[in-house]
Amino acid sequence: DQQVKQNSPSLSVQEGRISILNCDYTNSMFDYFLWYKKYPAEGPTFLISISSIKDKNEDGRFTVFLNKSAKHLSLHIVPSQPGDSAVYFCAASEANAGNMLTFGGGTRLMVKP
Amino acid sequence: DTGVSQDPRHKITKRGQNVTFRCDPISEHNRLYWYRQTLGQGPEFLTYFQNEAQLEKSRLLSDRFSAERPKGSFSTLEIQRTEQGDSAMYLCASSPPKAGGLYNEQFFGPGTRLTVL
Repeated sequence: DQQVKQNSPSLSVQEGRISILNCDYTNSMFDYFLWYKKYPAEGPTFLISISSIKDKNEDGRFTVFLNKSAKHLSLHIVPSQPGDSAVYFCAASEANAGNMLTFGGGTRLMVKP
Repeated sequence: DTGVSQDPRHKITKRGQNVTFRCDPISEHNRLYWYRQTLGQGPEFLTYFQNEAQLEKSRLLSDRFSAERPKGSFSTLEIQRTEQGDSAMYLCASSPPKAGGLYNEQFFGPGTRLTVL
């Protein structure tokens, strides 16, 4: 039972354009959501997070949107840069579960110059 | 560098051997987590510690796996009688104490890649 899903295994975007990565979840107890970026042979690097009391959080080029009714979140990267090419994971946690993270399967983003 | 460190970065072993991995969290982070990541998948939770207390274990953590955090600082993950299915990247993460009821993100180490032949 996959509680967090990233249905697009890969995404290709032109440099300067917007990248939109999507994530769906099924567990309504999740109340905190995070996006991580991962390069090969490295651990995941935290990008941005959002709690369930908000519907948007912005940090520089990165914006995360949360739609609780649809159990859907998305990460927008504007403008996309070649250095953004990596695998992106969304993750979810619930306060009463020790904040352990449940990850999606990842989306490989390729930003073409 | 004051990030999460893991040792070794790579480990190749034969089936049936025991292996032990070490994780050093960011200092003053009281929570430490272990995850396992197989090819093409996202990381899966294994266990976590708050200080020296192991508070949660996943059903993925069979009896052959044991984790410790003896003094609430570094942690070790041991796998006994390794099997080929144990081949994966083992990731460690730490997070600081909650402040004001806010959640804290987890900071990951580079991982230990285990290959069981």
